[in-house]
Amino acid sequence: QVQLQESGPGLVKPSETLSLTCTVSGGSISGYYWNWIRQPAGKGLEWIGRIYSSGTANYNPSLNSRVTMSVDTSKNQVSLKVTSVTADDTAIYYCAKDPAGYNWLDPWGQGTLVTVSS
Amino acid sequence: DIQMTQSPSSLSASVGDTVTITCRASQNIGAFLNWYQQKPGKAPKLLIYAASTLQSGVPSRFSGSRSGTDFTLTISSLQREDFATYSCQQSYGTPPYTFGQGTKLE
Repeated sequence: QVQLQESGPGLVKPSETLSLTCTVSGGSISGYYWNWIRQPAGKGLEWIGRIYSSGTANYNPSLNSRVTMSVDTSKNQVSLKVTSVTADDTAIYYCAKDPAGYNWLDPWGQGTLVTVSS
Repeated sequence: DIQMTQSPSSLSASVGDTVTITCRASQNIGAFLNWYQQKPGKAPKLLIYAASTLQSGVPSRFSGSRSGTDFTLTISSLQREDFATYSCQQSYGTPPYTFGQGTKLE
């Protein structure tokens, strides 16, 4: 079955860029939307955005100007960049698949904690 | 953006109880409502999509329903492994696809 694994630096300095990769195994990324979601400690889930395998992306307006997603079909990977980070960007970041094009999410990666601190 | 108001924020129950969790959408979202279960230190897991369709492998004691813009997750005959945090997500129309704030079932 499809499995997702997030990877990237666990510590990012304020004002710098957070960069994460989601590697998909057990299936192709082609033909699906891939989503990024984050969760600050003890808080609810926040939808960051999604990208289709063709590269078309939608972002949450709350983060729109700071977020970029990309896809690398040759590596079966999707990537997330968030610029000008602050402590408010500290969270567990998850990637998740939209299996049917109706925006429900399954499966999810295990998540990766990113801390913004100097 | 569509706002999702989830209640209660926490809920105490016992094994064998039946519990309900509610999400209210700020506007009509049709049946585009999904429910997730999250255990400590783990990623969310899809339980129900399209308001009432059970994801494959999810026990039948979980059920979902809709009344207008109100959505309910019901867990019948609670089992020990059901104690977790539950979140709703609307997936209607154009993004962003917002989540409720979660309900911790203790």
